[in-house]
Amino acid sequence: QVQLVQSGAEVKKPGASVKVSCKASGYNFIKYAMHWVRQAPGQRLEWMGWINAGNGDTRYSQKFQGRVTITRDTSATTAYMDLSGLNSEDTAVYYCVRNEWGTCYFDYWAQGTLITVSS
Amino acid sequence: QSALTQPASMSGSPGQSITISCTGTRSDVGAWNYVSWYQQHAGKVPKLIIYDVSKRPSGVSDRFSGSKSGNTASLTISGLQAGDEADYYCNSYARDDKYVFGTGTKVTVL
Repeated sequence: QVQLVQSGAEVKKPGASVKVSCKASGYNFIKYAMHWVRQAPGQRLEWMGWINAGNGDTRYSQKFQGRVTITRDTSATTAYMDLSGLNSEDTAVYYCVRNEWGTCYFDYWAQGTLITVSS
Repeated sequence: QSALTQPASMSGSPGQSITISCTGTRSDVGAWNYVSWYQQHAGKVPKLIIYDVSKRPSGVSDRFSGSKSGNTASLTISGLQAGDEADYYCNSYARDDKYVFGTGTKVTVL
């Protein structure tokens, strides 16, 4: 069965960076894209970007361009989201989300990782 | 890319139908038939309920239906049930291989 398992919650200081991992299993990793979506407390879902797990191509939301880097390790079937220059507004639950190549919807969501930015 | 516009809240009595709108632009909702909808119960992970404007994934109740006209997509929930009380988000593919979510709608069953 498809499983996406993310790394655990973290607390970061303003200005720091965070790297969240997303371990995929139960499907052919390289035939899918992995997106990252975040949700601040009580707020809406916000799309951040995605990576083509097959060839490594990436696309980022203009809002996060320059601060976010999405990578993957095909041998470990794991995707990563690195966000730099953290501030309090980055406090949110971050989700990795699967998207089959050639489709435009998100069929599996991981459990989410809470990142808290606080001095 | 600005968020798609949804009503902040909607409510209905059990058995009634409600329709949630999702308004975008010619660059996203109006450009492609790639609108999807997600249901998120309080404290839970979002779940796909509609994709490609009007298709339902296996296992999703046929009480959920989707449509689109111009730059506005809609999600209709028929025969409202207590378990439908949740937040609902639309999402659209946009140009340059990017995506955008809606502002979200909180549905309350009276």
